[in-house]
Amino acid sequence: GQSLEQPSEVTAVEGAIVQINCTYQTSGFYGLSWYQQHDGGAPTFLSYNALDGLEETGRFSSFLSRSDSYGYLLLQELQMKDSASYFCAVSYTGFQKLVFGTGTRLLVSP
Amino acid sequence: IAGITQAPTSQILAAGRRMTLRCTQDMRHNAMYWYRQDLGLGLRLIHYSNTAGTTGKGEVPDGYSVSRANTDDFPLTLASAVPSQTSVYFCASSDSRHNTGELFFGEGSRLTVL
Repeated sequence: GQSLEQPSEVTAVEGAIVQINCTYQTSGFYGLSWYQQHDGGAPTFLSYNALDGLEETGRFSSFLSRSDSYGYLLLQELQMKDSASYFCAVSYTGFQKLVFGTGTRLLVSP
Repeated sequence: IAGITQAPTSQILAAGRRMTLRCTQDMRHNAMYWYRQDLGLGLRLIHYSNTAGTTGKGEVPDGYSVSRANTDDFPLTLASAVPSQTSVYFCASSDSRHNTGELFFGEGSRLTVL
C-alpha cells in the first residue's frame, strides 16, 4: 500500500528552528499536506504543496521536492504551544482522500 | 461557527453491540470522510463520500458501513462491535472543487469496545 515515512519524535528548545521530514511513494502523487494535532484535539490544517518549492505561512513553512518524493515542515521561533504531533498527508488520486503518515511528536522545552 | 459536529464524544460499548457515530457539517462541503486514529498508526481512512448519494472504501473499511443521504450528514455504523475497533474516530469534510489539501476535522469520538 501507499505509505509515508516521518520521524517519530523530535525535540527542540524555545526559539529554535526544527525541520520535520516526510518521504512518500510517488505513484499517483498529487499533493502533500501538513497537519498539527495537540493531545486530545483534532488535526488542524497547516499547509499544502502541490508544486516544488517553499510555501510560507508565518512561522511555519513547507517544502516539496517531487523529484525526490520528499517534503518537510519547517517551524521557526519555536514556542511551547508548538508542542504537538505533526502529520504529513498525501493525496494520491487528485481528490482529497488523504493518506496520513504516522506522525512526528514535537517536544519543545524551555 | 459549528463546522463539523460529532456525537457522541465518547462511548463505552459491549462487544457485539451495534453503534452509530454521527457526523454533521454545516459548511456545505461535498466530500466527507471517516478516519480512525490509533497510537502509533496515525490516521487511517475508513470510508469516504465524494458527494451525497455516493460512498467509497478507504484503507480499513471492514466492520464499518456508512451512508450519505444528504450533503450534511455522514454517519458511521459498526454493525457488531469488536475490541479491535476501540479507537478515536474523526469525521472530516472538504470542498473537493478546490484541491487545497485541507480537510476540516470534527473533535472526534472516543470509542471503547469491551
